[in-house]
Amino acid sequence: AQTVTQSQPEMSVQEAETVTLSCTYDTSESDYYLFWYKQPPSRQMILVIRQEAYKQQNATENRFSVNFQKAAKSFSLKISDSQLGDAAMYFCAYRSLGTSGSRLTFGEGTQLTVNP
Amino acid sequence: KAGVTQTPRYLIKTRGQQVTLSCSPISGHRSVSWYQQTPGQGLQFLFEYFSETQRNKGNFPGRFSGRQFSNSRSEMNVSTLELGDSALYLCASMVQGLSYNEQFFGPGTRLTVL
Repeated sequence: AQTVTQSQPEMSVQEAETVTLSCTYDTSESDYYLFWYKQPPSRQMILVIRQEAYKQQNATENRFSVNFQKAAKSFSLKISDSQLGDAAMYFCAYRSLGTSGSRLTFGEGTQLTVNP
Repeated sequence: KAGVTQTPRYLIKTRGQQVTLSCSPISGHRSVSWYQQTPGQGLQFLFEYFSETQRNKGNFPGRFSGRQFSNSRSEMNVSTLELGDSALYLCASMVQGLSYNEQFFGPGTRLTVL
């Protein structure tokens, strides 16, 4: 079974600064997907960024980028130019390919605070 | 396009009762998954339905069940409620239920068991 670990329960960053959230995972599979989801106080989960394991290039979405280290099974999220609206709980998630369908395995989450 | 909707948004029940939660996926989405979120256990996968068939199931007792209708709307049922069932229940929909598709989450149903 796959596991996802987020070792930082809480992080804080100053507005306009950069912050990196860590995530490690364990799997015996060679192909899979990794995701970062954001859950603001409204509790609605929002996809931030997605990485396909077979792609060596790190995914980027505007101010959000990942550092995907497949051999180390590490998948960190970098948020640049942090904004107050980035304050939320961030979850790292893993999804297998193929017959497992939509099942996501989530990490414990990192609560991000953005200070003005 | 309307997002994933869940009803009710809040629910209070007492131990021993049963409850039914509803999820309406985005139009055209055929896969619906359910997750339980608690402070202690985090986010845990309950089950997934695709084209009215349960395709995947998490490690939950048989008190947790679900179904999907021909219009892709899904319901989950919890019988004989326990205090530990208090949680935020999230559903998510996908177009085909294939691994590369994006999943869209609903706002959740907050269940409190007294």
